[in-house]
Amino acid sequence: DVKVTQSSRYLVKRTGEKVFLECVQDMDHENMFWYRQDPGLGLRLIYFSYDVKMKEKGDIPEGYSVSREKKERFSLILESASTNQTSMYLCASSLGGRTAYEQYFGPGTRLTVT
Amino acid sequence: GESVGLHLPTLSVQEGDNSIINCAYSNSASDYFIWYKQESGKGPQFIIDIRSNMDKRQGQRVTVLLNKTVKHLSLQIAATQPGDSAVYFCAENPYNFNKFYFGSGTKLNVKP
Repeated sequence: DVKVTQSSRYLVKRTGEKVFLECVQDMDHENMFWYRQDPGLGLRLIYFSYDVKMKEKGDIPEGYSVSREKKERFSLILESASTNQTSMYLCASSLGGRTAYEQYFGPGTRLTVT
Repeated sequence: GESVGLHLPTLSVQEGDNSIINCAYSNSASDYFIWYKQESGKGPQFIIDIRSNMDKRQGQRVTVLLNKTVKHLSLQIAATQPGDSAVYFCAENPYNFNKFYFGSGTKLNVKP
């Protein structure tokens, strides 16, 4: 079974703090993704990575950055957390290549910024 | 972004009945679709997928139907069980093999 793990289930941070969310997958997937999930808005893509050190912006990259130094690990960074970044953050991974494949999700990190 | 919507935000069914969850998509170029199930406090779980060269695909107790003419996707769950209670949402892959657009979900309540 594909396993995607996220470093924290719940996180509370203060406005202005730098926040790191970590994601690890164990299936040697090329693609990794970060989404945020808000009520009524569904999942929105923040960033994705198709290879080590490679990244592409998703639909809502403002206020976020990412890092992928190893194939199995994809980090989401909130440079200066703000209250409007309070949300559920979901990491996912999938096989790479030119064909789309199903994405496997981690359990999510519920981030509260106060 | 793309419009991936669901016809009903909440669906209540009796245990043992069949459930049908619907999804409309807007991009006729979409060629890959996925249904996910999300239980409370958990990440989305892959249920079944279908590519645009198919009209129907069956899994264990689930069937996905794709009608490209009207850009409609449905998920049928046979003999619905209490463990099926969750939010279900569809995702479409329109033109970027790395990028999916997700609907906001339908909550399925299974009554005992």
